[in-house]
Amino acid sequence: DSGVTQTPKHLITATGQRVTLRCSPRSGDLSVYWYQQSLDQGLQFLIQYYNGEERAKGNILERFSAQQFPDLHSELNLSSLELGDSALYFCASSAREGGQETQYFGPGTRLLVL
Amino acid sequence: GEDVEQSLFLSVREGDSSVINCTYTDSSSTYLYWYKQEPGAGLQLLTYIFSNMDMKQDQRLTVLLNKKDKHLSLRIADTQTGDSAIYFCAESRMDSSYKLIFGSGTRLLVRP
Repeated sequence: DSGVTQTPKHLITATGQRVTLRCSPRSGDLSVYWYQQSLDQGLQFLIQYYNGEERAKGNILERFSAQQFPDLHSELNLSSLELGDSALYFCASSAREGGQETQYFGPGTRLLVL
Repeated sequence: GEDVEQSLFLSVREGDSSVINCTYTDSSSTYLYWYKQEPGAGLQLLTYIFSNMDMKQDQRLTVLLNKKDKHLSLRIADTQTGDSAIYFCAESRMDSSYKLIFGSGTRLLVRP
């Protein structure tokens, strides 16, 4: 158990809908990263937050947004869903260890868009 | 480019050693990681190595880094059936973030 929690574990929805994925980082970790794992694109970095502020953006679609709240939990919002958004979405949190930031991953949210 | 490449599949017999290889492209990468993903599960951090090291050993795991060739390998000694999983190498880019760039993963199958 990494200490990172994600809810829900599974989500089934229809095209055009909007969903929110939630992540709680490990206690004390200030950074939260979101990644998408799909069959065709593999594991891709989406976005990072550090202590409530956006720090870096990766291959995140404009239909997707995220935020990190004062209690450090984060939410990833996916809107106008398409079939191709079906994927496993991981959140990771990090703490500085020995000069680098080791990322610990949650169990993921499996999203199926029908 | 941003490619991290791994072979897709490796099959070994129980008790043998497994060697999973990875090549990366960014010479500015500072840390390189190995993660394990079991079916239906998340990513479990196995080990990491700093880019100024050549080797790191952690129980049954040995990581070798050839910085000149940008080649990373993970050796698992005395491979067990419980080691069957997908293994991802990842590089950490120290730009404005420590985002991880992952390879496509190597599926390790351990035969009894």
